[in-house]
Amino acid sequence: QSALTQPPSVSGSPGQSVTISCTGTSSDVGSYNRVSWYQQPPGTAPKLVIYEVSYRPSGVPDRFSGSKSGNTASLTISGLQAEDEGDYYCSSYTSSTTVVFGGGTKLTVL
Amino acid sequence: QVQLQESGPGLVKPSETLSLTCAVSGCSISSGYYWGWIRQPPGKGLEWIGSIYHSGTTYYNPSLKSRVTISVDTSKNHFSVKLSSVTAADTAVYYCARDPYGGTWGHFDYWGQGTLVTVSS
Repeated sequence: QSALTQPPSVSGSPGQSVTISCTGTSSDVGSYNRVSWYQQPPGTAPKLVIYEVSYRPSGVPDRFSGSKSGNTASLTISGLQAEDEGDYYCSSYTSSTTVVFGGGTKLTVL
Repeated sequence: QVQLQESGPGLVKPSETLSLTCAVSGCSISSGYYWGWIRQPPGKGLEWIGSIYHSGTTYYNPSLKSRVTISVDTSKNHFSVKLSSVTAADTAVYYCARDPYGGTWGHFDYWGQGTLVTVSS
């Protein structure tokens, strides 16, 4: 199985919005609403910020939102804050009953 | 408060078997969740290794399936992973995590802190 495709890096200034894309295929992202997003600050374990495309776990600010169109899922962070810096990963269920992750995107808050 | 804690050797020799255990607290391992292992090579991305249900049902990453075994011990409330015939490419931080759904939805809501395993002679 091939990793989902994410941009290597994105950046934005405090208060701005950024969107991170996650492109898969009709065998994963395109066919199932089982896409999750994780935030990983340096040196820490990943933290779930979005599940099932657009749902936020308790405690995650509503500045984080998710969506999907076709084979591409997206994570949007609005009102960017310095604490949002880190790596972001998407994951998806696949038709082979496996999990595939994206390659990761480094978010820099300028 | 659900907590997961990985434990095991931090150094494994090439061709040997890597063995790690994840102790779960604050939640019964038999309470209807799936439990997974994910790894992250230094400076690289996340890779799903596999997941297990308390009944023993397992799902594995096809690229590792021939070398991986995940097991669960409900009496000790922990689960384990064994990876055989390791090489330097298996050097990574290994995480255990809880999956509240079907084991392969990629939805991991609680994670351990991770443990670095280095493969070297």
